[in-house]
Amino acid sequence: GAGVSQSPSNKVTEKGKDVELRCDPISGHTALYWYRQSLGQGLEFLIYFQGNSAPDKSGLPSDRFSAERTGGSVSTLTIQRTQQEDSAVYLCASSSDVASHGYTFGSGTRLTVV
Amino acid sequence: KNQVEQSPQSLIILEGKNCTLQCNYTVSPFSNLRWYKQDTGRGPVSLTIMTFSENTKSNGRYTATLDADTKQSSLHITASQLSDSASYICVVRENTGGFKTIFGAGTRLFVKA
Repeated sequence: GAGVSQSPSNKVTEKGKDVELRCDPISGHTALYWYRQSLGQGLEFLIYFQGNSAPDKSGLPSDRFSAERTGGSVSTLTIQRTQQEDSAVYLCASSSDVASHGYTFGSGTRLTVV
Repeated sequence: KNQVEQSPQSLIILEGKNCTLQCNYTVSPFSNLRWYKQDTGRGPVSLTIMTFSENTKSNGRYTATLDADTKQSSLHITASQLSDSASYICVVRENTGGFKTIFGAGTRLFVKA
């Protein structure tokens, strides 16, 4: 597609439920990032996929968080047993492997855990 | 420790005034540095990009500088407008095979009438 698409745009879930967030990157982009942004805070790195390499999961805050990228394209971020502190905007960004190319961000998924 | 540090964390200025945001980084080897603007509720949008050999880049009222020796960058906003209220994020890309990117935490700018 023309941009990075994230779905759903908004998600309200009950504490303890599992949620899945989806990211469709720009076709051909080899790099894909997940970030989250809590209210009034900066971007917090979660996970990075680059081509067929093992993902960099160093930013995942707990083992309740996981992500996968199937076929080097679509990525899903899963949060199990959601907690209220998981409420945030989850942003996905993708890029080609050309250094001069920038990152294109999706518009994010606003997750609210009640 | 984050390899990209931004300051100040937040800033309030009056409409029409100038301001300068700072970004210090330790990322190495360095490929490029980019400033993004993020409006509330939106994804970040690129303002400028600079490589090792560039020390200044302008985009309208936004001027970014880069000192690759001291690993410092600044974003100067001239004659601020209310629409400049946003978060400004400094992003540094490694010059490695995967060109991994490190994001600063951002500076939140409030422009008041």
